[in-house]
Amino acid sequence: GQSLEQPSEVTAVEGAIVQINCTYQTSGFYGLSWYQQHDGGAPTFLSYNGLDGLEETGRFSSFLSRSDSYGYLLLQELQMKDSASYFCAVRDTGGFKTIFGAGTRLFVKA
Amino acid sequence: DTAVSQTPKYLVTQMGNDKSIKCEQNLGHDTMYWYKQDSKKFLKIMFSYNNKELIINETVPNRFSPKSPDKAHLNLHINSLELGDSAVYFCASSHKGGGNTGELFFGEGSRLTVL
Repeated sequence: GQSLEQPSEVTAVEGAIVQINCTYQTSGFYGLSWYQQHDGGAPTFLSYNGLDGLEETGRFSSFLSRSDSYGYLLLQELQMKDSASYFCAVRDTGGFKTIFGAGTRLFVKA
Repeated sequence: DTAVSQTPKYLVTQMGNDKSIKCEQNLGHDTMYWYKQDSKKFLKIMFSYNNKELIINETVPNRFSPKSPDKAHLNLHINSLELGDSAVYFCASSHKGGGNTGELFFGEGSRLTVL
């Protein structure tokens, strides 16, 4: 089976940096993704790590360590609009099943 | 142009009724999915289809019957609705098996409320 663990809530102030961790247990693994979901909206893809290391996309970076079954999403220069839920997700080796973590609710304060 | 569109956006119905949700994608993707998001925001895969063929059925009750008339459409029919079916249902699509990055493109969701 597959399971992912991430914190349920994180609070940070505008302009700060926040890291959302994700640990996973999977029977097969084909990469770790991150999605953002605003209240009432659809999940939207942020990043993907297929190999170990850091991927950077603007203010967002994502990291993966396959040996530790661990990854994180780093959000820099936080803005109020970053207040949302963030989900880590793993794709199984077949590719047709993506499992999501329970989500981390990020609150950005002024 | 909406990439993944699903209708209706809202459904309110009584227990025991039958309802359908339609989904269409204009991205040219081969793979489509249905996900259920409950009130705690847990996003759970229900089905995945590739080129009209069922690939994944994640132990969903057989009251739920997906149908893919072509690779751009994946509809979901639910029979004998129960209170526990109340949730937001998201349709998604991707390149075959998620492509290189596994990116899923989600529709805006259909909020189902069963009374």
